[in-house]
Amino acid sequence: EVQLVESGGGLVKPGGSLRLSCAASGFTFSSYSMNWVRQAPGKGLEWVSSISSSSSYIYYADSVKGRFTISRDNAKNSLYLQMNSLRAEDTAVYYCARVGRYLGAFDIWGQGTMVTVSS
Amino acid sequence: QSALTQPASVSGSPGQSITISCTGTSSDVGSYNLVSWYQQHPGKAPKLMIYEGSKRPSGVSNRFSGSKSGNTASLTISGLQAEDEADYYCCSYAGSSTFYVFGTGTKVTVL
Repeated sequence: EVQLVESGGGLVKPGGSLRLSCAASGFTFSSYSMNWVRQAPGKGLEWVSSISSSSSYIYYADSVKGRFTISRDNAKNSLYLQMNSLRAEDTAVYYCARVGRYLGAFDIWGQGTMVTVSS
Repeated sequence: QSALTQPASVSGSPGQSITISCTGTSSDVGSYNLVSWYQQHPGKAPKLMIYEGSKRPSGVSNRFSGSKSGNTASLTISGLQAEDEADYYCCSYAGSSTFYVFGTGTKVTVL
């Protein structure tokens, strides 16, 4: 079964750091671009970051540029998001999502992990 | 980069057809044929319904169809069913600087 499972969410104080992980299974992870998409409580979806299959190309939304770092380990079938200098507005469910089977579309999503930034 | 504009809500009776619009700019929707649509039920992850503007992934009902004209993309749900009640989001590729931009989301209610 094709699956993405996020972990690492939790409660963190403003200015703090957190590292999210996404474990992939059921497909050739190293062949696909991977992404992080977030959704603040009661709000819409927001693309956060993308990384190409070999990590050659990395992109960030302006809202997280300079604070978040996306990375992947193809040997471990895992995607990561290092989040530093966290702000209240970063509070959201963070989803990892695959792109590649269908051009420009997120075809597989994880169940999401909640990040809450609060003092 | 601003979010793509969608109506906040759309409703219809069972069996009817509804259309959700998604308005962007010449920098995103208008420049690329890479609009996708997602269905999201409460507490669940989004599900891909349409890609490249009008193509359906395997397993998605043919009651869902997509189109695009200029800077506006549309999702049509035909033969509306109770299970279609959900939030729907459009998304467009927006070039190497912005990459992806999502729509504001539309809540579909089946009356």
